[in-house]
Parts: sequence; structure tokens; C-alpha cells
Amino acid sequence: DAMVIQNPRYQVTQFGKPVTLSCSQTLNHNVMYWYQQKSSQAPKLLFHYYDKDFNNEADTPDNFQSRRPNTSFCFLDIRSPGLGDAAMYLCATSREGRTQHFGDGTRLSIL
Amino acid sequence: DAKTTQPNSMESNEEEPVHLPCNHSTISGTDYIHWYRQLPSQGPEYVIHGLTSNVNNRMASLAIAEDRKSSTLILHRATLRDAAVYYCIRGALDSNYQLIWGAGTKLIIKP
Repeated sequence: DAMVIQNPRYQVTQFGKPVTLSCSQTLNHNVMYWYQQKSSQAPKLLFHYYDKDFNNEADTPDNFQSRRPNTSFCFLDIRSPGLGDAAMYLCATSREGRTQHFGDGTRLSIL
Repeated sequence: DAKTTQPNSMESNEEEPVHLPCNHSTISGTDYIHWYRQLPSQGPEYVIHGLTSNVNNRMASLAIAEDRKSSTLILHRATLRDAAVYYCIRGALDSNYQLIWGAGTKLIIKP
């Protein structure tokens, strides 16, 4: 089945130690999104790629960056994670901004 | 506020219909209304969306008020597998990449 895959499902890192989360898709969708979801809250959009064009949300911290080397893969880099960055990170894809398809997320813990 | 308003939680009996309300009094004429749901430990999944007319699909029905200031997601016969957080979301037609998420309604299904 075509899908959105996030690895790993659980990631533990140390305070201030850079971490990278990955997302891959077999749907061949041109738009990819990264969301942050904290406990009992709705997902919050961090940024998205429309093809190769990167679009950052105004309130996304500078600590968060993203790379999309090709259509299938997208990475979320957190340069210096703080305790407040502990959350579920969700990747989603869509074709031309229509219905979004989500992965099951990576839960990030900060020690 | 541009966000939608939903009850924090609702309970329903198994095999009975469920009506999940959503208020979006400031919605613009070009905003779609989307519903996604999120099962425990999973990413959100698309349920249904509409603009003005009522919509039906295999998962649910969406009833949109004539003035578009409110809508109701209808699950015709809830099962235990429908227990999830249901998000009512605005999607701007002129910015299809951005979904404005409500806080969600946690649906509890009683056997």
C-alpha cells in the first residue's frame, strides 16, 4: 500500500544534541509537511515543501530546519533541542494541497 | 479567532449514531470545512470535507449549516474502532497548504 513512513517511531536525544527525523512517501505527492503535536493538542504546522519550494510558518523557531533531497524523502533537523521540543512530530503529504496523508509520527524525548 | 470551536469530549453508545458539532462563525466564503480523526498512537486520517452542500462518504456524513457558521459530522453507526479525537478544520481555498485546526473532540464509545 502507498503510504507515509516515519522513522524511527521513538527517538531519544540529549538536551542540545542535534537530532534528525525522517519521512518517506510512496504516494508521489508533491507537497510534504512537518507538524509538531504536543500532548492533548492539535498538530501545529512547522513548515511545508511545495515541490522544492520551502515554506516556513512565521512562528516556527529557528532551531527547526528541513531538507527535501527528492520527492520521496523529507527530513526535520532540530539543531539544539530543548526540553520544550519534546513532542510528537508528524509528517504529511498531499497532492497539490488537497487531502493530507499522515505518517504515524515520531515521538521525540529530550533527556 | 480563525479557529473552529468543538466540545472537548463526547460519549456515545456503540452502534448508535453520533453527531459531532463544530462552530466556525468567522469562516470565509472560500474556506472548506475538513474533518480528520486521530486514533490513539496514530497520525491523523482524513474523514470528510465540504464547502456548502452536505457531503456523504463511506466513513461519515457532513451537514453544513446554510449560513456556514457551523457544521456537524455524523457517524451513522459508531463502533469501538471509531473512538478517536475528531478535528474540525478550516482549509483556506487560497492557501490550500494550511489547515487551521480546532482543538478536537475526544469521542468515547461505550460498549
